Amino acid sequence: ETGVTQTPRHLVMGMTNKKSLKCEQHLGHNAMYWYKQSAKKPLELMFVYSLEERVENNSVPSRFSPECPNSSHLFLHLHTLQPEDSALYLCASSQTSGGSYNEQFFGPGTRLTVL
Amino acid sequence: GQNIDQPTEMTATEGAIVQINCTYQTSGFNGLFWYQQHAGEAPTFLSYNVLDGLEEKGRFSSFLSRSKGYSYLLLKELQMKDSASYLCAVVDSNYQLIWGAGTKLIIKP
Repeated sequence: ETGVTQTPRHLVMGMTNKKSLKCEQHLGHNAMYWYKQSAKKPLELMFVYSLEERVENNSVPSRFSPECPNSSHLFLHLHTLQPEDSALYLCASSQTSGGSYNEQFFGPGTRLTVL
Repeated sequence: GQNIDQPTEMTATEGAIVQINCTYQTSGFNGLFWYQQHAGEAPTFLSYNVLDGLEEKGRFSSFLSRSKGYSYLLLKELQMKDSASYLCAVVDSNYQLIWGAGTKLIIKP
């Protein structure tokens, strides 16, 4: 595997379910990100981890819970979601979490549908 | 507030040239990225500008004017595979990436 991988690619869940999204990066990067991408809207940064510590949480509802057990893996735990949470969830990684030239490498995303 | 503006959608013809504009109002500026995203796929890096002027990379070029808060992505010799969304993102004074909503480019034969 190379780059950034995400599983599952598609997920349909009910509002009472609990599920987790997984992201893995094979680039030796120190920072990882979760984004939400909705149609015709800018990417919304949800969480940033640098060296396994959360450095940013952009007022995300508590029904989204991130976990970063090591610098290569990132999870997003989901519970009691709402239909408006349906979106593409993208994971990204970069060498560091700061600096001006900080190219982010993205995974293919998980298309989430909440019924 | 911080704002990135891009056209929602553009259409161009195979073999032609298209320019996708991006204007921004942000708290500070530390560089501007362009990413390409094919439907159902990951965004991929195209270019980075931090100084004024034109950066050329094959069929793609990116231009920046910091005084005008303006950038454009120029695509030449368009191919069908260039049909995608193009995302503009600015690094602000806190080194946070501020994203535009993207421009969907449709290429017609």
